[in-house]
Amino acid sequence: DSGVTQTPKHLITATGQRVTLRCSPRSGDLSVYWYQQSLDQGLQFLIQYYNGEERAKGNILERFSAQQFPDLHSELNLSSLELGDSALYFCASRQGPGDNEQFFGPGTRLTVL
Amino acid sequence: DQQVKQNSPSLSVQEGRISILNCDYTNSMFDYFLWYKKYPAEGPTFLISISSIKDKNEDGRFTVFLNKSAKHLSLHIVPSQPGDSAVYFCAASAGETSGSRLTFGEGTQLTVNP
Repeated sequence: DSGVTQTPKHLITATGQRVTLRCSPRSGDLSVYWYQQSLDQGLQFLIQYYNGEERAKGNILERFSAQQFPDLHSELNLSSLELGDSALYFCASRQGPGDNEQFFGPGTRLTVL
Repeated sequence: DQQVKQNSPSLSVQEGRISILNCDYTNSMFDYFLWYKKYPAEGPTFLISISSIKDKNEDGRFTVFLNKSAKHLSLHIVPSQPGDSAVYFCAASAGETSGSRLTFGEGTQLTVNP
């Protein structure tokens, strides 16, 4: 158990819909990262938040957005869903600058039908 | 542009023998490297890491070697156990300027046969 929690574990929805994925980092960790794992793209970095502020962005689609709340939990919002958005979405956390290891949650499997 | 590559999709070894997983990278800005292990339906689990100022790091049965000039790292598992069977991902970080985001390789499926 990494200490990072993600909900829900599975999500099935239809094209065009909007979903929210939630992540709670390890106690004391200020940085939250979101990654997408799809069959053809492997594990890809989406976005990072540190203590409530966006710090880095990867190849995140404009239809996707995220935020980190004062209690440090984070949400990833995916809208206008397409079939190709079906993937595993992982959240990871780390303490902060100077701490290089990231610890991953169990992931949310999103299926878009 | 695949900056981190694991050229072997799979590796099969006998229990008790050495497992060697390889990883190559192209980005000279990477200064920290990590190995993760992943079981199906679970998130990646951190295994071992190495800073670019070192060439070896050891933790129990796991040793990571870094050859900066060749832009190559490897993970050695000795002795291999059936419970080590999983997908192993190599990852690299370019430091705080990039938010310490991780760039992953495609993974290598390790199977340890009893």
